[in-house]
Amino acid sequence: GQQVQQSPASLVLQEGENAELQCNFSSTATQLQWFYQRPGGSLVSLLYNPSGTKHTGRLTSTTVTKERRSSLHISSSQITDSGTYFCYQGGRALIFGTGTTVSVSP
Amino acid sequence: GPKVLQIPSHQIIDMGQMVTLNCDPVSNHLYFYWYKQILGQQMEFLVNFYNGKVMEKSKLFKDQFSVERPDGSYFTLKIQPTALEDSAVYFCASSLWWGTEVFFGKGTRLTVV
Repeated sequence: GQQVQQSPASLVLQEGENAELQCNFSSTATQLQWFYQRPGGSLVSLLYNPSGTKHTGRLTSTTVTKERRSSLHISSSQITDSGTYFCYQGGRALIFGTGTTVSVSP
Repeated sequence: GPKVLQIPSHQIIDMGQMVTLNCDPVSNHLYFYWYKQILGQQMEFLVNFYNGKVMEKSKLFKDQFSVERPDGSYFTLKIQPTALEDSAVYFCASSLWWGTEVFFGKGTRLTVV
């Protein structure tokens, strides 16, 4: 079946460090989105990026459709960035990735 | 941005009873979705819906589940009867068209006791 794999599974950062999260998907149909979720919290949509590079605030996503991958770069991490980041492949797939749990400490 | 509203935010129900989860999708959206998330686990696709019909459903969408959107009102997920393993957060989502950006609600936390 179709899969969306994320790496790393978890990441520990010191405040101010940058982070790169990876998402690999099995289908070329992208409609790729990145979401954020705190434990027990609602989903927050970060970026809709089916292809190319998109920015919002300290976040940058690059999706390379042919290579079936997307990345999310967090610059100058803050404690409030702690939580789980999911990539989501819509369209035919309708699948969430396995998630990357980010923990930012002072 | 566009908002998907889910009502109620929390619901506690006795096992075996019926429950209806309500979703108010973005007003001009045509595609609707339900996802299920058990605490601490991955989000899992249940079903999507378009033009009054279920388009796709996963193995998690048991026979006890049904969805409908009568006359453009709420998009609902009904579970009848409920089971303990139905306890989870259910997220509703909508998109304007197939393959476009999907907008999610804040979820309804369902506890079956």
